[in-house]
Amino acid sequence: QQQVKQSPQSLIVQKGGISIINCAYENTAFDYFPWYQQFPGKGPALLIAIRPDVSEKKEGRFTISFNKSAKQFSLHIMDSQPGDSATYFCAASITPGANSKLTFGKGITLSVRP
Amino acid sequence: GAGVSQSPRYKVAKRGQDVALRCDPISGHVSLFWYQQALGQGPEFLTYFQNEAQLDKSGLPSDRFFAERPEGSVSTLKIQRTQQEDSAVYLCASSLSTGGLPYEQYFGPGTRLTVT
Repeated sequence: QQQVKQSPQSLIVQKGGISIINCAYENTAFDYFPWYQQFPGKGPALLIAIRPDVSEKKEGRFTISFNKSAKQFSLHIMDSQPGDSATYFCAASITPGANSKLTFGKGITLSVRP
Repeated sequence: GAGVSQSPRYKVAKRGQDVALRCDPISGHVSLFWYQQALGQGPEFLTYFQNEAQLDKSGLPSDRFFAERPEGSVSTLKIQRTQQEDSAVYLCASSLSTGGLPYEQYFGPGTRLTVT
């Protein structure tokens, strides 16, 4: 059973538009929710992360919205740019604990057209 | 400063060969994770070290997979008698955290293993 599910599977957005990627999780013990960005041939890099005690977090053009009751969270990319074209993964982990291993979604490919 | 480095970046092995993949974490990072990323999928957890202690190996897919971090720094993931299903990108990540709030996991570029 996949514990973290992403939608859509792929996304095409025009430059300047808003990219929205959704994620749903199963395990209510998860309490740390990061989004990672991955370019071809590179490792994932953390974009932004949230914990369940807040409903929204914004960093620059990136915003996470969190809905604890629905067990869902989403990434919004404002003013999307061609350089944002990459694969995006949502993830979740259980803390505290030394082993904060991440459970990832399958990822979505974002293409931002000029 | 240097990030997480992995070597080799690419490895082609014939089925049945043994391979060793190396990870150099960020200096001072206590926690080290290995993940496996199949083509078109998200990374999947393999194993976790806190310093030299392997505290979780629940994600290792078979007893052909073995990982070590003998001095609490560099780690090696070894795969014995490789099979085609082992073909994937193997990612290493390190973190400053030893517990409590999770610090960011910094990922290396990965080693792409192809078993022919």
